[in-house]
Amino acid sequence: GAVVSQHPSWVICKSGTSVKIECRSLDFQATTMFWYRQFPKQSLMLMATSNEGSKATYEQGVEKDKFLINHASLTLSTLTVTSAHPEDSSFYICSGVALHSYEQYFGPGTRLTVT
Amino acid sequence: AQKITQTQPGMFVQEKEAVTLDCTYDTSDQSYGLFWYKQPSSGEMIFLIYQGSYDEQNATEGRYSLNFQKARKSANLVISASQLGDSAMYFCAMRELMNRDDKIIFGKGTRLHILP
Repeated sequence: GAVVSQHPSWVICKSGTSVKIECRSLDFQATTMFWYRQFPKQSLMLMATSNEGSKATYEQGVEKDKFLINHASLTLSTLTVTSAHPEDSSFYICSGVALHSYEQYFGPGTRLTVT
Repeated sequence: AQKITQTQPGMFVQEKEAVTLDCTYDTSDQSYGLFWYKQPSSGEMIFLIYQGSYDEQNATEGRYSLNFQKARKSANLVISASQLGDSAMYFCAMRELMNRDDKIIFGKGTRLHILP
């Protein structure tokens, strides 16, 4: 299957700082990318949907000013967690969908710990 | 609104036995896709199998098969001849294909433990 990478795979930051997570589709063009958050022993919760060149669509309850999403190209989407707090500590997973495809390809995830 | 329900939080199965993981869904769309993913402790999401709402045959991929009962809105995953490496979290998911959001919604998951 297609490959999606995420960087970094894990990050520790201090409260109040910002963290950027990159999601890249390596061998396909992802017209749509999704960002999920997963707390321990829970399911994936969709945070936002981003289409290349347009503003992201955020799910209800997700603060768009706190979780900044940019999808500047067909192979790169970034999630920036601004003014991070310990409650933002979680596993963040991105996925990409190619045009006219039903399958969603997931990145390996980024584990964020805010101290 | 679309919804996925997995009623089994955890299951213990003896190695080499078959196992069925339950999934029911709710949607008002006629065109949708159903997915199963495996998530081992490493966290990666591994795609297992896909069933389209208009597919007449149940999907199969190696030891995985999807028991699709459209009228009951169920899409159970069957794993034949289970192996120790099958121990993981399993998620059922759905995507409404006519919805321009294209988003996939996940169930809460079932943790499968294969016993030697």
